[in-house]
Amino acid sequence: DTAVSQTPKYLVTQMGNDKSIKCEQNLGHDTMYWYKQDSKKFLKIMFSYNNKELIINETVPNRFSPKSPDKAHLNLHINSLELGDSAVYFCASSLVSSYNEQFFGPGTRLTVL
Amino acid sequence: GIQVEQSPPDLILQEGANSTLRCNFSDSVNNLQWFHQNPWGQLINLFYIPSGTKQNGRLSATTVATERYSLLYISSSQTTDSGVYFCAVVQGGSEKLVFGKGTKLTVNP
Repeated sequence: DTAVSQTPKYLVTQMGNDKSIKCEQNLGHDTMYWYKQDSKKFLKIMFSYNNKELIINETVPNRFSPKSPDKAHLNLHINSLELGDSAVYFCASSLVSSYNEQFFGPGTRLTVL
Repeated sequence: GIQVEQSPPDLILQEGANSTLRCNFSDSVNNLQWFHQNPWGQLINLFYIPSGTKQNGRLSATTVATERYSLLYISSSQTTDSGVYFCAVVQGGSEKLVFGKGTKLTVNP
């Protein structure tokens, strides 16, 4: 009965590879988000989608591309991975908008070698 | 954009002690949340509190929106309270949840 789930939990890969992280929520929420937590624990929003429509697209390299096949899923695809992409990526969701409480997934720790 | 400042950055307590964590923000907000990131990295929702006071067991929070601050109180701390506590806000007119840098709490037995 996990509310917001992510796969995989850990991802270790080589520079230059392409990888995807999947996120699913079973809360019936309309809005989903991706956040990045860097090595200093600082959390910053990357993207948000409302009912499959892109709402927030922060200053993120265009190697990062979110995809929302339906409002319960928001995947993150990363091309040509770089060392600096190593971080923990969190997915989150909220009922309607960011004015509502956001609930976070368990995170995906990405390590680029 | 909005600035979110948390204090203190680090806090070390003995089990059983009480503590107060503070979050100051620079503009009006439509959302304010407190999170606990445990040592395993999970982000746990503590309070959704854009204004007013709430209590949940040993934890309580107060947000004074007109004065642009929020306080998180932890009473009778336990070792399981260790971790990083984040305050996050959504500025009026924005869609972005902006996080503070967190307060790292260590509770010693």
